[in-house]
Amino acid sequence: ETGVTQSPTHLIKTRGQQVTLRCSSQSGHNTVSWYQQALGQGPQFIFQYYREEENGRGNFPPRFSGLQFPNYSSELNVNALELDDSALYLCASSAGDFQETQYFGPGTRLLVL
Amino acid sequence: RKEVEQDPGPFNVPEGATVAFNCTYSNSASQSFFWYRQDCRKEPKLLMSVYSSGNEDGRFTAQLNRASQYISLLIRDSKLSDSATYLCVLPRGDGNNRLAFGKGNQVVVIP
Repeated sequence: ETGVTQSPTHLIKTRGQQVTLRCSSQSGHNTVSWYQQALGQGPQFIFQYYREEENGRGNFPPRFSGLQFPNYSSELNVNALELDDSALYLCASSAGDFQETQYFGPGTRLLVL
Repeated sequence: RKEVEQDPGPFNVPEGATVAFNCTYSNSASQSFFWYRQDCRKEPKLLMSVYSSGNEDGRFTAQLNRASQYISLLIRDSKLSDSATYLCVLPRGDGNNRLAFGKGNQVVVIP
């Protein structure tokens, strides 16, 4: 096991609702990256947090936002949910924002109806 | 051209056989490459890192061809437990530790 945990494991929401997903990074890791994986696709980079600051963002709209806390755990918030937001949301922690190995959590599977 | 391209397959492989597949990438400046394994409905897990011409770990061999901008993964003596999706991964072109994933190569090892 990687030591990266995510909650909840599964979630069902309806269009227009808001959702918050949580990630606890591995001990000693100060960087958390979030990815969205749609069915049959590879994970797509959403954004990264390094020492509580956003440190890069992928091609996702502003309704995808996040936070990192002093203990380096992180939240992903998605507002105004759309059907296409249905996916597996993965967080990955690493020891820095350099070329460090990323360790993935088990993911949160979100279904938007 | 996409950052990372893979033929999703599936690659149906008899148990004990060898299977190989390629991944092409667009960023010629990429210095590091990774293969991740993802089991059905699970998270990706690092299989192998490649920083030079290639890497070997047991039955798994990765080779890098910088001139043609592709990286390959070869699995020898396939086991049933090798059935998974193999994701080709590179750091994104916008730098640092943000990863670009291919769609993955789905391998199905048949008894």
